[in-house]
Amino acid sequence: AQKITQTQPGMFVQEKEAVTLDCTYDTSDPSYGLFWYKQPSSGEMIFLIYQGSYDQQNATEGRYSLNFQKARKSANLVISASQLGDSAMYFCAMREIQGAQKLVFGQGTRLTINP
Amino acid sequence: DVKVTQSSRYLVKRTGEKVFLECVQDMDHENMFWYRQDPGLGLRLIYFSYDVKMKEKGDIPEGYSVSREKKERFSLILESASTNQTSMYLCASSRTGLNEKLFFGSGTQLSVL
Repeated sequence: AQKITQTQPGMFVQEKEAVTLDCTYDTSDPSYGLFWYKQPSSGEMIFLIYQGSYDQQNATEGRYSLNFQKARKSANLVISASQLGDSAMYFCAMREIQGAQKLVFGQGTRLTINP
Repeated sequence: DVKVTQSSRYLVKRTGEKVFLECVQDMDHENMFWYRQDPGLGLRLIYFSYDVKMKEKGDIPEGYSVSREKKERFSLILESASTNQTSMYLCASSRTGLNEKLFFGSGTQLSVL
């Protein structure tokens, strides 16, 4: 069964607008961690943000924030004031405490920022 | 900063060849991973290792094997390459812990003809 689902294959956003990238997950483990990675056209994988299942606050890192809704099992990435350099593939991933350290990724969303 | 090095950026092999993809990390990480990336499918875990000589199957281990004889090195082996193994292969490493992020290599684009 798919553990991580990203339902938006592609998104187009105007520069300076905020954008939300969707991620839903499936787990019965009470302890887990959620990650977002960015992959620009160069191919490198860049870690953006982390949210633990027991964290009380939504994670934030600069222009990135994670809208964590535990009951709905969603962990959407919000990018504020988008920039042309935000154009990239974005991947959501999850690690379960009982998962022996493995990180499972979603299908990815290709974000394009238009000037 | 952690450095994860994959031996080749591009590789072209023939069907039936035995293929070795090498990955080395320099930060003494316990865990190492091999993923393949295909358009529309994201990153899929092939194998991972949490210690020397230890390995665990990921979601798509068929047609692959791995070797971890030293902590810093994790090799992916395609015993008999097939055209459906044409893909981008990404190696990663991490410390042990729920919140420990993965550090990735730059990837190997493998084409099997």
